[in-house]
Amino acid sequence: GENVEQHPSTLSVQEGDSAVIKCTYSDSASNYFPWYKQELGKGPQLIIDIRSNVGEKKDQRIAVTLNKTAKHFSLHITETQPEDSAVYFCAASSDSGGSNYKLTFGKGTLLTVNP
Amino acid sequence: EAGVVQSPRYKIIEKKQPVAFWCNPISGHNTLYWYLQNLGQGPELLIRYENEEAVDDSQLPKDRFSAERLKGVDSTLKIQPAELGDSAVYLCASSSSRGVHSYNEQFFGPGTRLTVL
Repeated sequence: GENVEQHPSTLSVQEGDSAVIKCTYSDSASNYFPWYKQELGKGPQLIIDIRSNVGEKKDQRIAVTLNKTAKHFSLHITETQPEDSAVYFCAASSDSGGSNYKLTFGKGTLLTVNP
Repeated sequence: EAGVVQSPRYKIIEKKQPVAFWCNPISGHNTLYWYLQNLGQGPELLIRYENEEAVDDSQLPKDRFSAERLKGVDSTLKIQPAELGDSAVYLCASSSSRGVHSYNEQFFGPGTRLTVL
């Protein structure tokens, strides 16, 4: 099955700095890579995703890059703000016959943005 | 649009007792997922429903866990009997397979935090 490794487990940055979280996956059949943000006491919330036919995607201060050859993808947050503080999870899955499928998550990164 | 609803939000029980969690997915979402999230870990899939059919329950410990989605809408996850190691957050998510893209966003509920004493 799929295995997703996520680094670092904790990340502390100053407000306004950039933050980068990296993930690797094992299953070459994986073709969908979402990123979730989880705040304390809440469920994970999708913040951005990327599909295997795209190398990079950006949404305001958030960007994700994908290197299928190396089997790794990264989340980039620029101009960080205190409200970006949360646990971030990467995930990977493959499309099996066009229907919904299983997401395999990394262990998460606790991001702390210091004012 | 209302999100995924879960209840209860918190549950404390003694070991060997039964417990049940309820989930109501986003209206119109035909796929429903139950995930287990241990402290400091990412969610792990327990079971996935397509309408009322459980299409992937390979990770569900069937000796003590059961789930149902009788009318293809809301769902119940049950543990009987609960063990100390079952203490975790149980997340429900839903998605829709009806759309242009074959990759579908999974929307998560707030979860039920279970503590087994």
